[in-house]
Amino acid sequence: GNSVTQMEGPVTLSEEAFLTINCTYTATGYPSLFWYVQYPGEGLQLLLKATKADDKGSNKGFEATYRKETTSFHLEKGSVQVSDSAVYFCALSPMNTGFQKLVFGTGTRLLVSP
Amino acid sequence: NAGVMQNPRHLVRRRGQEARLRCSPMKGHSHVYWYRQLPEEGLKFMVYLQKENIIDESGMPKERFSAEFPKEGPSILRIQQVVRGDSAAYFCASSRDQPQHFGDGTRLSIL
Repeated sequence: GNSVTQMEGPVTLSEEAFLTINCTYTATGYPSLFWYVQYPGEGLQLLLKATKADDKGSNKGFEATYRKETTSFHLEKGSVQVSDSAVYFCALSPMNTGFQKLVFGTGTRLLVSP
Repeated sequence: NAGVMQNPRHLVRRRGQEARLRCSPMKGHSHVYWYRQLPEEGLKFMVYLQKENIIDESGMPKERFSAEFPKEGPSILRIQQVVRGDSAAYFCASSRDQPQHFGDGTRLSIL
């Protein structure tokens, strides 16, 4: 079946450090891939997406590249800020379903200290 | 533009009562999705609806849970005879084509 595996958190960093949150997936064919961010007490906000192999999604300094060969979609940011502290979810939408039925990873909590 | 609106934000029910969660999609969106998030876990798909139709309810428990998206008004997720294990955050998302936009969720607590 379809599944998403994320690195466990929390990830604790100092401000301006480099961030990597690993995400790998299992799916048939070419799913669409997403990163969502959830701030405390709020819903999920779409951070970035990629719909085909080798696509790079980017937004607000965050980037992730769709790697078919390693079935990965790792999230990176060159210099994190305190305001980036949140829970980050990797997700996929199975092939041929449009964007319905997102399958989420368990989330990775990021804590950034000044 | 208003985002996806969910209410109530917090709902407390006693075991055996009914819980009704409402979701108003973004303007122009005809697709609604419900997800459940248990503490410290990711979101799990429950049901996908279009106006007056349930398209995919493969993630919905067979008993006590139901969902609707009427021609007029919000989508409703209904949980009958709630039990402690129903305590969770329930999120609604809407879309026109892609991607999905999420509401802030309803936190359901069962006493």
